[in-house]
Amino acid sequence: DGGITQSPKYLFRKEGQNVTLSCEQNLNHDAMYWYRQDPGQGLRLIYYSQIVNDFQKGDIAEGYSVSREKKESFPLTVTSAQKNPTAFYLCASSLDRLNQPQHFGDGTRLSIL
Amino acid sequence: GQQLNQSPQSMFIQEGEDVSMNCTSSSIFNTWLWYKQDPGEGPVLLIALYKAGELTSNGRLTAQFGITRKDSFLNISASIPSDVGIYFCAGLESQGGSEKLVFGKGTKLTVNP
Repeated sequence: DGGITQSPKYLFRKEGQNVTLSCEQNLNHDAMYWYRQDPGQGLRLIYYSQIVNDFQKGDIAEGYSVSREKKESFPLTVTSAQKNPTAFYLCASSLDRLNQPQHFGDGTRLSIL
Repeated sequence: GQQLNQSPQSMFIQEGEDVSMNCTSSSIFNTWLWYKQDPGEGPVLLIALYKAGELTSNGRLTAQFGITRKDSFLNISASIPSDVGIYFCAGLESQGGSEKLVFGKGTKLTVNP
């Protein structure tokens, strides 16, 4: 079945450590997105990519980095510069930037040890 | 950036009742999307609206794209326990040639059997 796979489901980070969240899609979508979700909040855009080897900052990119070396994959690194990383992270994809809707993975919950 | 006002924030209803929630914005959107999110999972698309005035149904769900393009509502008829979850609206806005999806903060629905 086509879809978006995020891993791991739960992730724990020590202070000062970088961690990478995986997102893979087999929908042949050009555009991919990373969102952060906090309790009682809407989704906030971290980074997005419209095409391989290109990505743009969203509203809350500080403390995060991404890469888009393959169409199917859009990993997100939460760096030690992100001082409040505890959140639910959602990856999404769409046919392209102009063609919504976006389809979401099941999320990764990141916690600080 | 643009924000969506989604209301109500939460609802507690009896099984069998109808539900209505809405989203409003101060600027125009080109597309309205409605998602449902279950705990610990990613949002799932319920209905997509692409044209002002459009009224679309998906089973017991009905959504409309407001004529002014600044609002949308979602109705659920004859609610059942599995309707429990958080419902998000999202609007696609154009900003200087760039498209951005903006999310409401969600309506948390509780259905009492």
